[in-house]
Amino acid sequence: ETGVTQSPTHLIKTRGQQVTLRCSSQSGHNTVSWYQQALGQGPQFIFQYYREEENGRGNFPPRFSGLQFPNYSSELNVNALELDDSALYLCASSLTGLGGETQYFGPGTRLLVL
Amino acid sequence: ELKVEQNPLFLSMQEGKNYTIYCNYSTTSDRLYWYRQDPGKSLESLFVLLSNGAVKQEGRLMASLDTKARLSTLHITAAVHDLSATYFCAVDMGNTPLVFGKGTRLSVIA
Repeated sequence: ETGVTQSPTHLIKTRGQQVTLRCSSQSGHNTVSWYQQALGQGPQFIFQYYREEENGRGNFPPRFSGLQFPNYSSELNVNALELDDSALYLCASSLTGLGGETQYFGPGTRLLVL
Repeated sequence: ELKVEQNPLFLSMQEGKNYTIYCNYSTTSDRLYWYRQDPGKSLESLFVLLSNGAVKQEGRLMASLDTKARLSTLHITAAVHDLSATYFCAVDMGNTPLVFGKGTRLSVIA
């Protein structure tokens, strides 16, 4: 167990709806990264938050947005859901986000879009 | 653009045998990570390799990094069923996000 928690564990939505996923980082970590893992693929970077500011973004459209709160927990919001958004969403926390350090992954939220 | 390739993507091996998983990456980096993922579960950190020639071992797994060849290997010694999982390598270049390979799905059979 890494100390990173995510909620909910599973979610079913329909196309066009909006969803919010939540992540609590490991104690002492101020950086949260979000990844999307499609079935049979490696995780793909969505964005990273460091001290409440977005600190890098992958190749995802603007309907993927996020927040980080003063306690370093984070939210991932996805608007106008599409079928291809069905995936496991992982958040990872790290101490500084500067690279060269381990990212600790949460258990993930499995999203199914119908 | 940094690309990470793993091979093989699927590996079925007998208990007690040895095998190696390879991870190649396209851009100079000296930071490489290995993760394990069980079905339906999250990623568990196995090794962090931060310099050329780094070698780390944990139980039946040993990982090494050759930054000149842009290659990391994950060697499995005397495989046991409990090692069945998907193994990912990932690379970053400093203040950049992790880029993952597609994973190697390992199945250890009796």
